[in-house]
Amino acid sequence: ETGVTQTPRHLVMGMTNKKSLKCEQHLGHNAMYWYKQSAKKPLELMFVYNFKEQTENNSVPSRFSPECPNSSHLFLHLHTLQPEDSALYLCASSQDAVAAEAFFGQGTRLTVV
Amino acid sequence: DAKTTQPTSMDCAEGRAANLPCNHSTISGNEYVYWYRQIHSQGPQYIIHGLKNNETNEMASLIITEDRKSSTLILPHATLRDTAVYYCIVRVPYSGGGADGLTFGKGTHLIIQP
Repeated sequence: ETGVTQTPRHLVMGMTNKKSLKCEQHLGHNAMYWYKQSAKKPLELMFVYNFKEQTENNSVPSRFSPECPNSSHLFLHLHTLQPEDSALYLCASSQDAVAAEAFFGQGTRLTVV
Repeated sequence: DAKTTQPTSMDCAEGRAANLPCNHSTISGNEYVYWYRQIHSQGPQYIIHGLKNNETNEMASLIITEDRKSSTLILPHATLRDTAVYYCIVRVPYSGGGADGLTFGKGTHLIIQP
């Protein structure tokens, strides 16, 4: 248990569906991150939020839309995804930009059919 | 951030010390060395980090060479639960403008044999 909770743990969605992934941390951290891990590939950083402001968007397609309503919650809104978007989506948080240690959630295993 | 090179996979016998090497020959003076691991189907877990001195915590030891071009993560008494992919990452902890995340490579798949 890292203190970072992701829901749902598993999600199957059609290409025309809209769904959202949720990440929650009550560690008092100010930075939150979304990562994508596809089969046989390294983790890819998608989005970074620092003090609720998005500071990085790693050329992620617009069908992925992040939202950070407060420092404890981070969402990833999904719409019109493709089968190649099937992956493990991981949320992480850290105290701030200087912190060495990031805490990761268990991830959401997404399958697009 | 500097690039790192790690072996693709390694085996280690249970109860023995596991020594995982990492080359980072282009590391710059203000970049730290971080180690994370990822057990199958879980999120990555922080292990340890250091700048130039050797570091030890309850999980592992980190040995950084004097020229800082390579490092070794040591798990002193490996158990079956240490089977995981181990990632060596070098980065400046604060590069300005806000949190910039971690860049993961392919890591080393460490398999602990019973």
